[in-house]
Amino acid sequence: AQSVTQLGSHVSVSEGALVLLRCNYSSSVPPYLFWYVQYPNQGLQLLLKYTTGATLVKGINGFEAEFKKSETSFHLTKPSAHMSDAAEYFCAVSRFYNQGGKLIFGQGTELSVKP
Amino acid sequence: DTGVSQDPRHKITKRGQNVTFRCDPISEHNRLYWYRQTLGQGPEFLTYFQNEAQLEKSRLLSDRFSAERPKGSFSTLEIQRTEQGDSAMYLCASSFQPSAGANVLTFGAGSRLTVL
Repeated sequence: AQSVTQLGSHVSVSEGALVLLRCNYSSSVPPYLFWYVQYPNQGLQLLLKYTTGATLVKGINGFEAEFKKSETSFHLTKPSAHMSDAAEYFCAVSRFYNQGGKLIFGQGTELSVKP
Repeated sequence: DTGVSQDPRHKITKRGQNVTFRCDPISEHNRLYWYRQTLGQGPEFLTYFQNEAQLEKSRLLSDRFSAERPKGSFSTLEIQRTEQGDSAMYLCASSFQPSAGANVLTFGAGSRLTVL
């Protein structure tokens, strides 16, 4: 079975500092991996996804993530945090498109950005 | 493309009452998913449809829950005899699933249920 673990339910950084949100997955087959962001009272918005090919994936709003198979990780980074980055971030995994393609989510990491 | 719409956005009900949520997916999307999200947790899969066929239901979906997608377009999620434990955000998502490759879900803003 596939699963996702996000390390740290809450991360706080200063504006301009590096953002690092950690995600480890468990999958018996090469996974598809996703990061979604959720702002208060809004739905989940796709930040980026890894399917195949280049392991460093760039997304919207300056975020990127690197797929590391040996570490079963897909950590999300941004070089310089902005106040508008404050939100909840979810890592998700899927693979079996012919079995529904549903996403399995981690428990989320709330990012706070201090001025 | 107007996105995924959910209605109502908020619902407050008394224990034992029935509630129904509606989801209008992106028109060309063939798959529709329902998730439940409780405070401080990630979304949990409930069920999904491909066109009008309900292809999978989670163990989380008790007998009090029923979902339909009668014409392969909008979907409804009904909860009968609500319990306080049903209080959550109910998220709908849709996608166009190709024959192979990643399935990218587009989520609605959710319907928040509060059971008193």
